[in-house]
Amino acid sequence: DAGITQSPRHKVTETGTPVTLRCHQTENHRYMYWYRQDPGHGLRLIHYSYGVKDTDKGEVSDGYSVSRSKTEDFLLTLESATSSQTSVYFCATLGQGAEAFFGQGTRLTVV
Amino acid sequence: GIQVEQSPPDLILQEGANSTLRCNFSDSVNNLQWFHQNPWGQLINLFYIPSGTKQNGRLSATTVATERYSLLYISSSQTTDSGVYFCAVWPGGNNRLAFGKGNQVVVIP
Repeated sequence: DAGITQSPRHKVTETGTPVTLRCHQTENHRYMYWYRQDPGHGLRLIHYSYGVKDTDKGEVSDGYSVSRSKTEDFLLTLESATSSQTSVYFCATLGQGAEAFFGQGTRLTVV
Repeated sequence: GIQVEQSPPDLILQEGANSTLRCNFSDSVNNLQWFHQNPWGQLINLFYIPSGTKQNGRLSATTVATERYSLLYISSSQTTDSGVYFCAVWPGGNNRLAFGKGNQVVVIP
């Protein structure tokens, strides 16, 4: 499997604070994606990147921003965390042959 | 964007039974994958199958790209097959990797 690491794996934060989740890959994959998973909703795309400094919005991008200053890192920032952003967040990368790989997920709780 | 539909949404199986999960997609794709999300939340790659047929143990998958669907077969199901199965497709280029809503499978002993 691809070397994809998400950090932190678990986080509890307070409403109104900014939070940054990190996705780090060692495979030099061009495409990277952030999803959130909530009961009854499957995997919903937040933002994605198709290269360094090239990003685009997904279906649930409000309240989130991303940055990709180098190939290996894709950061997801919750500008001012709300309870509705309590979720499990997954990062994915798309590699050679267009095969996707997932990180282990980050469980975020906003209290 | 591309639409992905999976059916059935929920499936309960007796251990030892066979089943078929279906994924329909609305446009041509460069990539189609099946994932299994286990009870611990991990997303496991099952098949990378933009076309053709592949087998891995009791699981096999077939994608008919020209007709825009893929099938995942589970034979002689075991309780460890329980979980959610996701189909994901990528049209290529600077497009999103799109997921279906998943098939929730429960295998009872």
